[in-house]
Amino acid sequence: DADVTQTPRNRITKTGKRIMLECSQTKGHDRMYWYRQDPGLGLRLIYYSFDVKDINKGEISDGYSVSRQAQAKFSLSLESAIPNQTALYFCATSGTTGQPQHFGDGTRLSIL
Amino acid sequence: GENVEQHPSTLSVQEGDSAVIKCTYSDSASNYFPWYKQELGKRPQLIIDIRSNVGEKKDQRIAVTLNKTAKHFSLHITETQPEDSAVYFCAAIKVPGSARQLTFGSGTQLTVLP
Repeated sequence: DADVTQTPRNRITKTGKRIMLECSQTKGHDRMYWYRQDPGLGLRLIYYSFDVKDINKGEISDGYSVSRQAQAKFSLSLESAIPNQTALYFCATSGTTGQPQHFGDGTRLSIL
Repeated sequence: GENVEQHPSTLSVQEGDSAVIKCTYSDSASNYFPWYKQELGKRPQLIIDIRSNVGEKKDQRIAVTLNKTAKHFSLHITETQPEDSAVYFCAAIKVPGSARQLTFGSGTQLTVLP
C-alpha cells in the first residue's frame, strides 16, 4: 500500500545536537508537511512544501529547517536541539489543497 | 488567517451514548472541513469531511453538520463504542484560495466508558 514513512520512530538526544528527521512517501503526492504535536496544543505546522522548489514556513518554523530532496522525500532538521523541542513530529502528504492529508506514524523526539 | 477553535478539550461518555464535538472557524470563506481521529500512539486519520455546499454528511455512526451562517461545524458520534476513544481534530481551509494549508483545532480527547 502507498504510504508515508517516517524515520526514526523514536529518538533521544542531548541539547545542542543536530538532528534530522526523515519522511518518504509512495503516494505520488506533490505536497508534504511537517507538524509538531504537543499535549493540548493540537497539530502545529512547522514547514510545508508544494514541490521540490517550493518550501514555506509554517506557524512555528523558528529553530527548524527543511529540505525537499525529491518529490517523495522531505526532511526536517533541528540544527541545535533544545529541550522545548521535545515533542511528537508528524509528516503528512496531500495531492492538492482540499484533498485529505495522509500522515506518517510520527517520530517521538526527546531532547535532554 | 483562519482560526479554528474546538470544544470541548475532553469529553467522557458512557458506551452507547452519543458524543458531539464542536468547532468554530473565523474565515467565512473557508469551504472544506475535515475531521481526523488519532488513536493512542497512532497517526491521525481522516474519518469524515464536509464541503460548504452541503449542510450534513453521514457515514454509519458518524456525521458532520455545518452551519455556515454561524461559522461552526460539529462531529456527531452515535452509539459510541470503546474503540471510539481517541483524540479528534477538526480543520478548515478555503479551496481554491490563497491559504495553502489546513488550520487545525486543538483536539478533543474522547473517552468512552464501558
